Amino acid sequence: GENVEQHPSTLSVQEGDSAVIKCTYSDSASNYFPWYKQELGKGPQLIIDIRSNVGEKKDQRIAVTLNKTAKHFSLHITETQPEDSAVYFCAASKQGAQKLVFGQGTRLTINP
Amino acid sequence: GAGVSQSPSNKVTEKGKDVELRCDPISGHTALYWYRQRLGQGLEFLIYFQGNSAPDKSGLPSDRFSAERTGESVSTLTIQRTQQEDSAVYLCASSLSNSNQPQHFGDGTRLSIL
Repeated sequence: GENVEQHPSTLSVQEGDSAVIKCTYSDSASNYFPWYKQELGKGPQLIIDIRSNVGEKKDQRIAVTLNKTAKHFSLHITETQPEDSAVYFCAASKQGAQKLVFGQGTRLTINP
Repeated sequence: GAGVSQSPSNKVTEKGKDVELRCDPISGHTALYWYRQRLGQGLEFLIYFQGNSAPDKSGLPSDRFSAERTGESVSTLTIQRTQQEDSAVYLCASSLSNSNQPQHFGDGTRLSIL
C-alpha cells in the first residue's frame, strides 16, 4: 500500500524567513496531495492541495510543488509569521481509494 | 454550524468499557471518514462511507471497532471492550464526493482509557 514519508520532523525558522517541508510517496498511482495545518487541540485544516496534472500551485505565501517522476512534493511557506507555528501534515490519495495516507508531521516553530 | 462537528470533545473511560463517538458532517457532503491520531503521530485511516455504498472498513484495527452511518447524515464510531492502546484522538472528516475532493476535519474526540 501507499507509504508517505515526511521530513523534517521539527523545523525552526526566524520570522520572515522561508520554511520548506518535504514528502515522498511510494505509490505512483497517487494523484491527489493535500497539506494540512494542525494547531494544538484542533483538527487538521486544509491549507493547500495539488493534483498530479500540475507541477506547482501557489496561494499567497504558501506554495506546493510536485515532482511525479521522483514521487515527492514539497510545501513552501515564505515570509513566515508567528501564527504559522503549528504541525503540518502532507498526505496522498489515489482515484478509487479515497482514504488519505498521511505523513508523520512536521512541527514548525517561527521564532520572533 | 458550517463545519464538521464531533462529540464528545473529550472522553475518559475505564478499560473494558464501550464508547460511542459521534460525527455530524458538513451538510451536503456525501463522503465521511474516520481517522485515528495517536499522540505525536500522523493520522491513520479507519473507515470510509460514501452514500449508500458498502463502507470501506479496511483500516479498522480489530473487530472491537465498528461504525455506522445512516444515509448522508450522522455517523457513530463504537469501540467495544476498550484497551489502553485505544487512547488517541479520533477525527472525522467529510467531503463532497468520492473523487479526491478536499476532506474537511472536525476537532476530534480525545479518548483516554484508564
